[in-house]
Amino acid sequence: NAGVTQTPKFRVLKTGQSMTLLCAQDMNHEYMYWYRQDPGMGLRLIHYSVGEGTTAKGEVPDGYNVSRLKKQNFLLGLESAAPSQTSVYFCASSRTGHEQYFGPGTRLTVT
Amino acid sequence: GESVGLHLPTLSVQEGDNSIINCAYSNSASDYFIWYKQESGKGPQFIIDIRSNMDKRQGQRVTVLLNKTVKHLSLQIAATQPGDSAVYFCAERDPGNTPLVFGKGTRLSVIA
Repeated sequence: NAGVTQTPKFRVLKTGQSMTLLCAQDMNHEYMYWYRQDPGMGLRLIHYSVGEGTTAKGEVPDGYNVSRLKKQNFLLGLESAAPSQTSVYFCASSRTGHEQYFGPGTRLTVT
Repeated sequence: GESVGLHLPTLSVQEGDNSIINCAYSNSASDYFIWYKQESGKGPQFIIDIRSNMDKRQGQRVTVLLNKTVKHLSLQIAATQPGDSAVYFCAERDPGNTPLVFGKGTRLSVIA
C-alpha cells in the first residue's frame, strides 16, 4: 500500500514548455486534489475532483488543466509554463472529502 | 530541505514543555476542522481532526480545542520533542461538500 505517489519528484522547465504531473493513489479514494505551496502562502488549491470523470476549479486554477480518467489517477497539466508557476506541487486524496492524505510533492522550477 | 514558509509565525518551545498552536478560522458555517504537520521537504501529515459538535478531542500527546463562539481552534502538544519541529496547518470545511480551506501555518521550533 503506497498511499499517494507523485511523479516526477523534481523538474526544471523553460518558459513556454509544457508538462504533466501524475498523482496516483491506491486507497480507492473518491476525492483527489492538486495544491501548490509557495513560501508564506500555505497550501492553495488548484483543481480537485470528487470522482472519476469529474473535475472542478479551486482557488488558483489559471494556467493549469486536470484530468481524472481513472479513479486512481489525477493528472495536472501545464500547457505553457511561466516562472510564476515555480512552486512545490502536492497531490492529496480523500475517501469522504474530510481527512486528506498527501503525496511527497513535486518541486517545479520554471526558468 | 525545502523551506515551506519563509515568513510564517514561529513558536519556539523548550523540549519537554507543552506547546499551544492557535488558529483563527473565518467561516462560521464550518463543521469540520483538521490539523496537519509538515516537516521540511515532505508532504503534510494528518495529526488530528474535530467536528463542530465537539469542543475537545484528544489523541496521542495532542489535544485539539474548538471554540465556535470566537471561531478559534488550538492544537496542544504535550511534552514537546525535537521531532515535533515542523510547520503546523489548520484547515476548515463547511457542510457544502467543498474542499478544505487551509490556514497559512505556524512554524514550531523545539529548543533542545
